[in-house]
Amino acid sequence: EPEVTQTPSHQVTQMGQEVILRCVPISNHLYFYWYRQILGQKVEFLVSFYNNEISEKSEIFDDQFSVERPDGSNFTLKIRSTKLEDSAMYFCASRDRGTMNTEAFFGQGTRLTVV
Amino acid sequence: GENVEQHPSTLSVQEGDSAVIKCTYSDSASNYFPWYKQELGKRPQLIIDIRSNVGEKKDQRIAVTLNKTAKHFSLHITETQPEDSAVYFCAASIGYNFNKFYFGSGTKLNVKP
Repeated sequence: EPEVTQTPSHQVTQMGQEVILRCVPISNHLYFYWYRQILGQKVEFLVSFYNNEISEKSEIFDDQFSVERPDGSNFTLKIRSTKLEDSAMYFCASRDRGTMNTEAFFGQGTRLTVV
Repeated sequence: GENVEQHPSTLSVQEGDSAVIKCTYSDSASNYFPWYKQELGKRPQLIIDIRSNVGEKKDQRIAVTLNKTAKHFSLHITETQPEDSAVYFCAASIGYNFNKFYFGSGTKLNVKP
């Protein structure tokens, strides 16, 4: 069964450093998402991406965040200058086209620790 | 924006008993409600979902009910088994593009053998 794949599974970075979290969505999917979950808190929406542009973003997704689909398979989340409060589990998800295909398939997550 | 509240945060049941997890939402425009199961160290996986034009949906031992008037929806698991032990998340989505999901805080279900 096709899966969304995220790398790395765990990333430790120093405050102020840039990080890139990588995701390979399911190949025929057209909608891509990033969510994050701070330990003990809710899963929070960050951004959705369709047709090579951001379709929606949350207040969390400020100028420090960016997303890119650099080729036909990868979908990346970049945090330019990490803060301690960026420490969280980051989930990538993808969805097929059409209003009948509602299921979002999640990756296994990248645990980001900012020290 | 939408706010989804989920209760209880932890639930412990004996194998064979039923488990019910409840969620409320705030925005009456929400029209799609998925439930995800996340086993320890694994990805969240969709187990059942319901659209706002339906009041109930069942899939074997799992059912979801939706009360649009009261703005709440519930997950029902019957004849629980130890492999049902996991964290369950409810979510709500507004609109027909499903651009984002608002998640509940999760319920850790423990099924004791």
